[in-house]
Amino acid sequence: DAKTTQPPSMDCAEGRAANLPCNHSTISGNEYVYWYRQIHSQGPQYIIHGLKNNETNEMASLIITEDRKSSTLILPHATLRDTAVYYCIVNRGAGNNRKLIWGLGTSLAVNP
Amino acid sequence: DTEVTQTPKHLVMGMTNKKSLKCEQHMGHRAMYWYKQKAKKPPELMFVYSYEKLSINESVPSRFSPECPNSSLLNLHLHALQPEDSALYLCASSQDSDEGVRGYTFGSGTRLTVV
Repeated sequence: DAKTTQPPSMDCAEGRAANLPCNHSTISGNEYVYWYRQIHSQGPQYIIHGLKNNETNEMASLIITEDRKSSTLILPHATLRDTAVYYCIVNRGAGNNRKLIWGLGTSLAVNP
Repeated sequence: DTEVTQTPKHLVMGMTNKKSLKCEQHMGHRAMYWYKQKAKKPPELMFVYSYEKLSINESVPSRFSPECPNSSLLNLHLHALQPEDSALYLCASSQDSDEGVRGYTFGSGTRLTVV
């Protein structure tokens, strides 16, 4: 089964880039990598996802290694509001049987 | 409308009560999900509905009974729960493909306490 491994916690200074790593060494060729974040007691919020190529949107960038065994989420200019638990997730299955396989998450603290 | 709406936000129920959680989305998503989340843990998948049919049941006890009345609504009926069932219950929806979509949309959850 594809699963993900993340560091349990990280710190980042406000205004600096936050680089959150994720290992997914057992990922299959057609499984997407998703990143979500969860601020205390709220529902998870979608950040970005990708398959092979690096992706960028208004929130973050996703860098996926060529062998797809790991990825890095980059928040280019972290703010205090980016303090949250960040989940690296693999989307396993197809059609009616797609489901998200969640890592344990990285608790990111952005400090002033 | 780009939201998943869950009601109620908080629920306290006794072990002999029957209650229901409700979830609604108007994004045209054809897949809907129930998750259970305990403190400091990632969400755990409970049920998946695809095109209004139950497609995945992750061996959830029968005291949890899902229902999908139409493509926009998802209910979770609760009966004879145990205190260990206290958790944040999350609803989510998605399209049925990973390509070119913005992923799964989650509601804010129902905080359930069983006493």
